[in-house]
Amino acid sequence: ELKVEQNPLFLSMQEGKNYTIYCNYSTTSDRLYWYRQDPGKSLESLFVLLSNGAVKQEGRLMASLDTKARLSTLHITAAVHDLSATYFCAGPDLDSNYQLIWGAGTKLIIKP
Amino acid sequence: EAEVAQSPRYKITEKSQAVAFWCDPISGHATLYWYRQILGQGPELLVQFQDESVVDDSQLPKDRFSAERLKGVDSTLKIQPAELGDSAMYLCASRGTSGSYEQYFGPGTRLTVT
Repeated sequence: ELKVEQNPLFLSMQEGKNYTIYCNYSTTSDRLYWYRQDPGKSLESLFVLLSNGAVKQEGRLMASLDTKARLSTLHITAAVHDLSATYFCAGPDLDSNYQLIWGAGTKLIIKP
Repeated sequence: EAEVAQSPRYKITEKSQAVAFWCDPISGHATLYWYRQILGQGPELLVQFQDESVVDDSQLPKDRFSAERLKGVDSTLKIQPAELGDSAMYLCASRGTSGSYEQYFGPGTRLTVT
């Protein structure tokens, strides 16, 4: 059964700084998803990583996938306040019709 | 751009009352999910449909929750009777047949049980 672990669970940082959120998963998977959630809102898809070595970038966020290490990272460059949110990674469980197994989420607070 | 629709967006109900949520997935999406998300936690899958059939409802509290997708399009999730612990965000998501298996989420229904 797939397990997904994120760290850190909470991150408070200053604007302008760089940081990385890590997502480890327990069994073989060829894809990984990142979602963003603002307080009181639904989940918004950020990145879909479909192969080993996949790298995607959107503005100050960059996500990568290393299927051999079973690791995905979400890197934040020169953080701005608008990026404050909770970020979830999720992996598909191949034994359960590709149901998504979710990490616990990383609550990111970016201070001016 | 096609979106998943949900209603109502907010619902306040008293415990022991019945409550229902509606979801209309993106057109053509055969797979539909209902999730429950308690504040500060990740989403928890309640039920998965493939067309009109239930694929997985192992986490659905069947003594009080029911879900249906009669024509394989829109879906209803019902709680009867509601309990205080049911207060949460209820999210609907749909998935198409593309190889990415990406799930698209609706805006959610925030339920408060008093």
